[in-house]
Amino acid sequence: GQQLNQSPQSMFIQEGEDVSMNCTSSSIFNTWLWYKQEPGEGPVLLIALYKAGELTSNGRLTAQFGITRKDSFLNISASIPSDVGIYFCAGQSPGTYKYIFGTGTRLKVLA
Amino acid sequence: EAQVTQNPRYLITVTGKKLTVTCSQNMNHEYMSWYRQDPGLGLRQIYYSMNVEVTDKGDVPEGYKVSRKEKRNFPLILESPSPNQTSLYFCASRRSSGTGFSGYTFGSGTRLTVV
Repeated sequence: GQQLNQSPQSMFIQEGEDVSMNCTSSSIFNTWLWYKQEPGEGPVLLIALYKAGELTSNGRLTAQFGITRKDSFLNISASIPSDVGIYFCAGQSPGTYKYIFGTGTRLKVLA
Repeated sequence: EAQVTQNPRYLITVTGKKLTVTCSQNMNHEYMSWYRQDPGLGLRQIYYSMNVEVTDKGDVPEGYKVSRKEKRNFPLILESPSPNQTSLYFCASRRSSGTGFSGYTFGSGTRLTVV
């Protein structure tokens, strides 16, 4: 099945640094979602994006729906140790109920 | 509290011994889905259900069965588990597409080991 290209695969950063990650697809999406998964838990929805160009924030997190509808970006400002986890993007293709998930970005924050 | 509940959290079984992983949601969601998570492969959809008695295959359905007799429950059945089904499994639910869509709510996961 189709999968999104999510990068980077992993990141090690210092506390206080900003983080950027992105997802790209060969086809357009109607909706982009960003999830965070902490160890031993299921993914939790962070941000949902519904139209091209949309920019949405959730605290220190900001995500954008790419203008081409084939990509999305997630930024985390001033990272803290509890930001540790795996971040997944997910996209929904037009005319389907199905969501496709990226392979995840594993984030580690060094205090 | 709105949630998706999976059981068990951990399961070790032997090849060929039938097992069922239960999933229940209390949000009256129409849409439910099962995913498996493997290192480097992200989340891959096994089966999904758009409503009671309506199910369909996802990307990796081989070796699995599901049923949706009630809106709140969506069990995952492995009739004859094999070692390649060792994985972390997640059940998820959401409202059907339309206005007010809110994304998936995931359960806490079931870590299955087949020896």
